[in-house]
Amino acid sequence: DSGVTQTPKHLITATGQRVTLRCSPRSGDLSVYWYQQSLDQGLQFLIQYYNGEERAKGNILERFSAQQFPDLHSELNLSSLELGDSALYFCASSVEGRVGEQYFGPGTRLTVT
Amino acid sequence: GQQLNQSPQSMFIQEGEDVSMNCTSSSIFNTWLWYKQDPGEGPVLLIALYKAGELTSNGRLTAQFGTTRKDSFLNISASIPSDVGIYFCAGWGGSNYKLTFGKGTLLTVNP
Repeated sequence: DSGVTQTPKHLITATGQRVTLRCSPRSGDLSVYWYQQSLDQGLQFLIQYYNGEERAKGNILERFSAQQFPDLHSELNLSSLELGDSALYFCASSVEGRVGEQYFGPGTRLTVT
Repeated sequence: GQQLNQSPQSMFIQEGEDVSMNCTSSSIFNTWLWYKQDPGEGPVLLIALYKAGELTSNGRLTAQFGTTRKDSFLNISASIPSDVGIYFCAGWGGSNYKLTFGKGTLLTVNP
């Protein structure tokens, strides 16, 4: 158990819909990262938040957005969903100063039908 | 953008054999890391390397940070069935706060 929690574990929705994925980092970790994992693209970095502020952006679509709240939990919002958005979405957190040492949650499997 | 080339893509070995996999990049990284992912779970950090030439062990796992800072190697000795999974290398360049992952090596161990 990494100490990072994600909900829900599975999500099935239709094209065009909007969903919210939730992540709670490990106790004490200020940074939260979101990743998308699909069979053809591998593990792709989406976005990072540090103590409530956006710090880095990766290959995140404009239809996707994220935020980190004062209690440090984070939400990833995916809108106007397409079939190609079906993937595993992981959240990770890290200790200050150890960016590479990320602790991943169990993931949310999103299926868009 | 930065890309990591990880090889081999997959390996099928017998229990007890040693395994080697590697990762190369066209860019220099400040940190190299190795993660393992079991089916249906998130990646788990195995080893982190911070200095060129550094050799670090974690039980039967040994990883090295290449001297050019553009590659890294992971060796697993005396493999066991629970070593099965996908192994990912990852590099952190330092300035962009972004961790770049390789495509992974799928390891299968036959008992």
